Amino acid sequence: NAGVTQTPKFQVLKTGQSMTLQCAQDMNHEYMSWYRQDPGMGLRLIHYSVGAGITDQGEVPNGYNVSRSTTEDFPLRLLSAAPSQTSVYFCASSYSGLRGYTFGSGTRLTVV
Amino acid sequence: DAKTTQPTSMDCAEGRAANLPCNHSTISGNEYVYWYRQIHSQGPQYIIHGLKNNETNEMASLIITEDRKSSTLILPHATLRDTAVYYCIVTYSGGGADGLTFGKGTHLIIQP
Repeated sequence: NAGVTQTPKFQVLKTGQSMTLQCAQDMNHEYMSWYRQDPGMGLRLIHYSVGAGITDQGEVPNGYNVSRSTTEDFPLRLLSAAPSQTSVYFCASSYSGLRGYTFGSGTRLTVV
Repeated sequence: DAKTTQPTSMDCAEGRAANLPCNHSTISGNEYVYWYRQIHSQGPQYIIHGLKNNETNEMASLIITEDRKSSTLILPHATLRDTAVYYCIVTYSGGGADGLTFGKGTHLIIQP
């Protein structure tokens, strides 16, 4: 039982490049979500999913796409990276919410 | 989700009980109070949650006032490893199916 696995742990992108942040969980959790955390700030919700095939936007969705083709995986795509997207990205999953969310260890992204 | 108010920072001596307050005066009847913490650079960690009654688990106790407008997270014997940012989050009975809304939290510093 690995929990929530995020890859890569670190990434440097050039402005305009695209990439996908991977998130996988092996706990058969229905709910999954992506957050970004800027220095000294709390986490902000980017996108979330309540099950395979269902996704929706959070507080700060612009510049990001998601899909949920399987229960296990919830990748986050940066369409055209910008310096403003430099941040730490966290993925989280939960069985039903009532048991709380399990978070991954984060991906530290720098856009230059 | 109801808005929460927490002190920006608090100190506590090692071995003492740490009491972290949270105000959620606009909480509605079917909203739960959740607590998470984030140790430096790591993903947030679920601690405990409650609806009306006081709750206790191996990590902490949660005391919710009778009118449910405020709560207190208690770490009974704080250690240096409890130094972290603690987030109080109020969300519906689905436990945050649509993700979690984080505020700035309370930075708890445990002093040796």
